Amino acid sequence: GDSVTQMEGPVTLSEEACLTINCTYTATGYPSLFWYVQYPGEGLQLLLKATKADDKGSNKGFEATYRKETTSFHLEKGSVQVSDSAVYFCALRPEYGNKLVFGAGTILRVKS
Amino acid sequence: GAGVSQSPRYKVAKRGQDVALRCDPISGHVSLFWYQQALGQGPEFLTYFQNEAQLDKSGLPSDRFFAERPEGSVSTLKIQRTQQEDSAVYLCASSLARVSGRSSYNEQFFGPGTRLTVL
Repeated sequence: GDSVTQMEGPVTLSEEACLTINCTYTATGYPSLFWYVQYPGEGLQLLLKATKADDKGSNKGFEATYRKETTSFHLEKGSVQVSDSAVYFCALRPEYGNKLVFGAGTILRVKS
Repeated sequence: GAGVSQSPRYKVAKRGQDVALRCDPISGHVSLFWYQQALGQGPEFLTYFQNEAQLDKSGLPSDRFFAERPEGSVSTLKIQRTQQEDSAVYLCASSLARVSGRSSYNEQFFGPGTRLTVL
């Protein structure tokens, strides 16, 4: 079945460091891919998305590119801030389907 | 505007009790989803409604779990005879329109969740 694997955390970085959180997926066809973020005490929020191969999603300085050949959707940011501390979830929606399939989440801690 | 709301935010139940969790989706949203998030894990799909029709309940873990959306708006997830393994955060999400195929995507907006602890 469809699945998402993302790097384990926690990831601890200093402010202004570069961030990469790896995400790979298993799915048939062409799923849509997402990154969700959960800030402390808040609900899940969509951070960015890509719906077809080679699309790049971007928001708030974060980027991720849909790589069909490597079945990956790695999250990147060039300079993290303390306010980026949160749990990040990679997810897919199957090509023909509605439900989201999530990875286990990666905790990001940014120190000042 | 108002987002997805869920109540109660926290629920403690004794093993064997029945619980009911409520979800108020964003007004006008056709699709409604329930997910279960165990501690340290990502959310896992439970069930999906399009208006009042429950189109997919493949993720419900047992026949103790039951969901309804009788008027196509508010939804209730009921868990009968709760067990310790039911302890989790239950998330509700809604989206504006029906979703089919890859040609249409509608963002799922999530509520804050109900944290259920079964003692």
